[in-house]
Amino acid sequence: DGGITQSPKYLFRKEGQNVTLSCEQNLNHDAMYWYRQDPGQGLRLIYYSQIVNDFQKGDIAEGYSVSREKKESFPLTVTSAQKNPTAFYLCASSIASGFYEQYFGPGTRLTVT
Amino acid sequence: AQKVTQAQTEISVVEKEDVTLDCVYETRDTTYYLFWYKQPPSGELVFLIRRNSFDEQNEISGRYSWNFQKSTSSFNFTITASQVVDSAVYFCALSEGNTGKLIFGQGTTLQVKP
Repeated sequence: DGGITQSPKYLFRKEGQNVTLSCEQNLNHDAMYWYRQDPGQGLRLIYYSQIVNDFQKGDIAEGYSVSREKKESFPLTVTSAQKNPTAFYLCASSIASGFYEQYFGPGTRLTVT
Repeated sequence: AQKVTQAQTEISVVEKEDVTLDCVYETRDTTYYLFWYKQPPSGELVFLIRRNSFDEQNEISGRYSWNFQKSTSSFNFTITASQVVDSAVYFCALSEGNTGKLIFGQGTTLQVKP
């Protein structure tokens, strides 16, 4: 089946630790995105990548890092510099950057204590 | 600045009622796209529709319909004869330039009671 996978579904970390969230797609999409969702709020863009080996900061990139070494993979690292890392993280992809619809993965709920 | 406003935080209806979810947007772009997504309790966002700024024709898909009015910068979503399975959070989103970035509204939580 074609789609986007994110693992794990739930992740728990201690404060001060870096953690990497996985996002893989087999849709052959060029563009990929990371969003953060806090309770009762909309989605906010963290990073996006329009093509392999290239990525740009979104609206809330501080404390996060990404890489795009392969077309199908776009991992997100939440560093210890992120002040409020507890949130629901959603990965998405689209066939290309521009005005295309984005398809989302099931999300990872990160809790940092 | 670009912005999407979904003024209705929560809506509760009884099954079979019709319900309209409002979306108002602000943009200076002449070419833009609007989207609606559904987020069921599982958390994954499901794409519902994409509409470009040059096409103001209303669209119907089964029990779902969308009304795009450029004059009022609105893109409202109506569910006819609502069902319990329609219970979810619904997001309206606006494209920013041609980067692929989406600006999301705060979402409207729809509860359909049996």
